Amino acid sequence: AQRVTQPEKLLSVFKGAPVELKCNYSYSGSPELFWYVQYSRQRLQLLLRHISRESIKGFTADLNKGETSFHLKKPFAQEEDSAMYYCAPNVPGDSGGGADGLTFGKGTHLIIQP
Amino acid sequence: GAGVSQSPRYKVAKRGQDVALRCDPISGHVSLFWYQQALGQGPEFLTYFQNEAQLDKSGLPSDRFFAERPEGSVSTLKIQRTQQEDSAVYLCASSARLAGGSDTQYFGPGTRLTVL
Repeated sequence: AQRVTQPEKLLSVFKGAPVELKCNYSYSGSPELFWYVQYSRQRLQLLLRHISRESIKGFTADLNKGETSFHLKKPFAQEEDSAMYYCAPNVPGDSGGGADGLTFGKGTHLIIQP
Repeated sequence: GAGVSQSPRYKVAKRGQDVALRCDPISGHVSLFWYQQALGQGPEFLTYFQNEAQLDKSGLPSDRFFAERPEGSVSTLKIQRTQQEDSAVYLCASSARLAGGSDTQYFGPGTRLTVL
């Protein structure tokens, strides 16, 4: 079965400190990987996707196929980064329920303290 | 431009009632998804439409759940004989292309359903 693990339910760091939100997945094949973010009182929105290899709001995520991880990183956290972050792989062609939709992790609530 | 909209934003139903949740995707978007998000959990995939065709309904939890998109734009998620475990936020998302889940999805604000 497809699984996405975000081990930290809550992560609190001070402003200016580095941030790493962990995500591990278990799939056969090559998933396409996304991070979605939900700021307070806003809707869920795309933060970044692996295939584009771009940095959004200072965040980057590196796919490690050996460790099957897609951790989200930012070198210097800002207060406006406080939000819920969801790791979401998609495996095209998988008929187990995730073929067309995303499979979300349970999310990590990131709190940036001033 | 206008994003994905959903209505109602909040719905309270008595156990056993039928409910209908509406989603208006971004104009021209081919793909439409429904997700269920229970409290403290990530969204879980329910079903996927490509235009008017429902290509994947493997995530629907029971035959009480039914979704349609008859003209390839607006979609309705219907839940019959609601149960307390149906209480959740129901999210709709749309994407521009035929690429299914591998394309960027744009989410609506969700409908919070509470079953008493």
